[in-house]
Amino acid sequence: GQQLNQSPQSMFIQEGEDVSMNCTSSSIFNTWLWYKQDPGEGPVLLIALYKAGELTSNGRLTAQFGITRKDSFLNISASIPSDVGIYFCAGRPSNTGNQFYFGTGTSLTVIP
Amino acid sequence: DVKVTQSSRYLVKRTGEKVFLECVQDMDHENMFWYRQDPGLGLRLIYFSYDVKMKEKGDIPEGYSVSREKKERFSLILESASTNQTSMYLCASSGYDRVRGEAFFGQGTRLTVV
Repeated sequence: GQQLNQSPQSMFIQEGEDVSMNCTSSSIFNTWLWYKQDPGEGPVLLIALYKAGELTSNGRLTAQFGITRKDSFLNISASIPSDVGIYFCAGRPSNTGNQFYFGTGTSLTVIP
Repeated sequence: DVKVTQSSRYLVKRTGEKVFLECVQDMDHENMFWYRQDPGLGLRLIYFSYDVKMKEKGDIPEGYSVSREKKERFSLILESASTNQTSMYLCASSGYDRVRGEAFFGQGTRLTVV
């Protein structure tokens, strides 16, 4: 199955810094989702996006649905130690309706 | 609060055993999925189901089967567990909607086959 290109693969940042990551696809998507996964736990949904150009915030997190419908971006402002984890993007292509495709994840480390 | 619940957090099984992983969702979702997650390989789809008694193979169905007798429950079966099936298994569910649809995950089952 298709795997999305997610970058960067890992990030090491100082507490208080902003973080940006992105996901790209070769297919057009109807839905973009962003998840966070803590070690040993299941992914938790952070933000869902449904329209090209849509910009949605959840606290310090902001995500955007790219206008080409083939990419999405996640920003975290003023990072804190509990932001540590793996962030995944997921997309739902317009031609399936049922399946999701996932990025390979961005591992975030926040240094206090 | 939406909920996807997997029956076990940790399992240790012997090679050759038949293993059942259970997943229950309380959101009346049509779609349910089983993934395995391995370091460096990301999430890989094993099977999914879009309705009761319906199932579709994902990317890595070999060595696995599934059962969906009720809408809220989706079981993953390892017919004869092998050490290369040691992994984190994640169940997810979503609504059947081409425009709006979010997948929710369970807490994961860490399976070790010895």
